[in-house]
Amino acid sequence: SQTIHQWPATLVQPVGSPLSLECTVEGTSNPNLYWYRQAAGRGLQLLFYSVGIGQISSEVPQNLSASRPQDRQFILSSKKLLLSDSGFYLCAWSTTGRGTDTQYFGPGTRLTVL
Amino acid sequence: GQNIDQPTEMTATEGAIVQINCTYQTSGFNGLFWYQQHAGEAPTFLSYNVLDGLEEKGRFSSFLSRSKGYSYLLLKELQMKDSASYLCAVRDSGTYKYIFGTGTRLKVLA
Repeated sequence: SQTIHQWPATLVQPVGSPLSLECTVEGTSNPNLYWYRQAAGRGLQLLFYSVGIGQISSEVPQNLSASRPQDRQFILSSKKLLLSDSGFYLCAWSTTGRGTDTQYFGPGTRLTVL
Repeated sequence: GQNIDQPTEMTATEGAIVQINCTYQTSGFNGLFWYQQHAGEAPTFLSYNVLDGLEEKGRFSSFLSRSKGYSYLLLKELQMKDSASYLCAVRDSGTYKYIFGTGTRLKVLA
């Protein structure tokens, strides 16, 4: 069966510090991968998605970036965090192809920028 | 543009039935999904509709009308643990993106 891992689970970082969040998927190959952010009491904001190694689509211009160095690894980064970067970061995966393509979420990382 | 509308909040009584509506206007359509999200946790998949009609999974059912851009999630025999946010999402047919509504927060009262 497929599983998705995210770490760390919680993170407290000062303004201006760098960020690296990692997501890995097991039990599937060539998944579509996604990064979302959810502010407190808000809906899901799509940040990046990737349909293959090295292929990244950015949805929101900001100080964040994403990379996909391996098929089942997706990394979210920032060189300098802002207060507004605080939120719940969720990685998700879905299958490629023409099937159901249900999207499944990792456990999330709660980031607080102080 | 892309737009998904859901009520912000609903309240129901334990043991009752509740219907959460979702209307959507998207440039493409390749399926409608419902997720449950408990406070502080990640969303978990509940149901999926791509054709018109009703899909039933235990206490949960989901309905879709593509011509009306409308779906609902029906929860029967409500339990306290059903208190959560319910997210409606549409998969875009032109890209690999999923467009989410802001969610409906359901409170189940004893």
